Amino acid sequence: GAVVSQHPSRVICKSGTSVKIECRSLDFQATTMFWYRQFPKQSLMLMATSNEGSKATYEQGVEKDKFLINHASLTLSTLTVTSAHPEDSSFYICSARDSRQTNEKLFFGSGTQLSVL
Amino acid sequence: KNQVEQSPQSLIILEGKNCTLQCNYTVSPFSNLRWYKQDTGRGPVSLTIMTFSENTKSNGRYTATLDADTKQSSLHITASQLSDSASYICVVDKGGSYIPTFGRGTSLIVHP
Repeated sequence: GAVVSQHPSRVICKSGTSVKIECRSLDFQATTMFWYRQFPKQSLMLMATSNEGSKATYEQGVEKDKFLINHASLTLSTLTVTSAHPEDSSFYICSARDSRQTNEKLFFGSGTQLSVL
Repeated sequence: KNQVEQSPQSLIILEGKNCTLQCNYTVSPFSNLRWYKQDTGRGPVSLTIMTFSENTKSNGRYTATLDADTKQSSLHITASQLSDSASYICVVDKGGSYIPTFGRGTSLIVHP
């Protein structure tokens, strides 16, 4: 089946640094990818919708200059957390939509645990 | 306002027992309803996906039902195992939209 690869799985960084998270669709082309963050014991919160070749659409309250999204190819979207602070520590997950399939299956990456010191 | 409501918020059962999780939604128009299992610290994994015309779908010990008239879905887990301990998330796709709406999930703990 389709697989979405997310890297890195865990990252620890100092406050003020930037962190890039990659999301790749391995055996299908994904024109649309989604980025979420999840705090402990809470549901996934959609941050933005990433569209290949165009600007991402951010959810209300998500700073686009803080969370930079680039979807330069049909198989890769990146999320960069700029000037990270401890409050940005969270679990970040991406998903990609496989439009080839009738029900447009949605596949998730394995997530990235970000810890900002 | 979250348009997908799940209940219960958490559930503890003994190994081998059955359980049923509920999902009510107000998303309209409706396209698809999906159930996912998410282990702690991992990404969600798809269990079932149902369209408007489907009433039930099974995946091993997991059986999902859908009543599009009452906008309710359930996920039934049969003969629970310790590995079923996870968060179960209901996701509803709005017709014509590519943005899914997530429920808050039900945290299931299976005790030996």
